[in-house]
Amino acid sequence: DAMVIQNPRYQVTQFGKPVTLSCSQTLNHNVMYWYQQKSSQAPKLLFHYYDKDFNNEADTPDNFQSRRPNTSFCFLDIRSPGLGDAAMYLCATSTLRAGGQRNEQFFGPGTRLTVL
Amino acid sequence: RKEVEQDPGPFNVPEGATVAFNCTYSNSASQSFFWYRQDCRKEPKLLMSVYSSGNEDGRFTAQLNRASQYISLLIRDSKLSDSATYLCVVTLSWGKLQFGAGTQVVVTP
Repeated sequence: DAMVIQNPRYQVTQFGKPVTLSCSQTLNHNVMYWYQQKSSQAPKLLFHYYDKDFNNEADTPDNFQSRRPNTSFCFLDIRSPGLGDAAMYLCATSTLRAGGQRNEQFFGPGTRLTVL
Repeated sequence: RKEVEQDPGPFNVPEGATVAFNCTYSNSASQSFFWYRQDCRKEPKLLMSVYSSGNEDGRFTAQLNRASQYISLLIRDSKLSDSATYLCVVTLSWGKLQFGAGTQVVVTP
């Protein structure tokens, strides 16, 4: 089945220790997104790739970086995790077309990050 | 004011009953609307898109009121498995999704 896969599902890191979360998709979607979701809050968009074009949200901290080496994979790097970065990180994909607004996104199962 | 607002609930619903709840959005230029379902500690899953004329999918009915800028979701004949958080989602510019914080529904036996 076509899907969005995230690894690892659970990640524990120490304060300040870099961590990388990965996302892969078999849907061949052109857009990939990274969201941060904290308990009882809405998912918050961090950034997205429209094909190879990287788009950062204005309020995404510099501590968060992303890479998309090819269509199928996307990585979220947290350079120096703080306690406030503990959250669920969700990867999503969609087939947004130029000028389009209808944008049904499909989510991976998420990576739950704990910062000690 | 938040761009997408939802009553957080919880809505406690007896099994077999009907429950309905709304979501309001602030951007009148929004074109696309969705309801996602999110189970505890799981990812959001698309429940249904919301079309201008309203649409129905089995026990679920979604309505859009552009004049008052709200969308609604109605669940008929509630099942225990309907217990979840329902996220209202509005498309902003270029297709960016703006999520509400969700409405929690608890279906009780």
